[in-house]
Amino acid sequence: QKEVEQDPGPLSVPEGAIVSLNCTYSNSAFQYFMWYRQYSRKGPELLMYTYSSGNKEDGRFTAQVDKSSKYISLFIRDSQPSDSATYLCAWWGTSYGKLTFGQGTILTVHP
Amino acid sequence: DAGITQSPRYKITETGRQVTLMCHQTWSHSYMFWYRQDLGHGLRLIYYSAAADITDKGEVPDGYVVSRSKTENFPLTLESATRSQTSVYFCASSDLGQDEQPQHFGDGTRLSIL
Repeated sequence: QKEVEQDPGPLSVPEGAIVSLNCTYSNSAFQYFMWYRQYSRKGPELLMYTYSSGNKEDGRFTAQVDKSSKYISLFIRDSQPSDSATYLCAWWGTSYGKLTFGQGTILTVHP
Repeated sequence: DAGITQSPRYKITETGRQVTLMCHQTWSHSYMFWYRQDLGHGLRLIYYSAAADITDKGEVPDGYVVSRSKTENFPLTLESATRSQTSVYFCASSDLGQDEQPQHFGDGTRLSIL
């Protein structure tokens, strides 16, 4: 079993839709949870970062963490064409000093 | 400009050749990382370095060599390139969670091995 499993998509939604992206993980040592966004031919950039269960909001983005179920989600409200990118979930445990990434979900928001 | 710079951005070479990918960061971050990104596999860690002269293997280290003589540079060498090493390579740096961005990524090197 992979340490991180991410819905591969691809996902295509109309502009204005609510998008839900999901990942599960198996390693209880994971302490920090992140979502990265990656545009075509660019490096990943950090969107959201949290270390506790519950919800964290930043504008149109909400990250949800459920440590008991080992499940994290990213919700995008009022999605825009500029949100079209690959979204990568990631985990970091300080005992490792390095990130573990999901496979990435390709999202397309069409006008 | 502050940031992390990878060079070259694009490289085409032949099997058996030696190739070195460069990575330079201006933040003086202690940690640096090399990843490869392939369709269906996401980002996989090749090597990482906790400080100058300290390196360690990641998930897929075979066929790669790294060095870190200076904090700001972390070159990745393919000693004898193979077609399976065709990929997009990303370098990243981190001060291990001292700020809100645990890892900063470069824009990648797209490597094709013929």
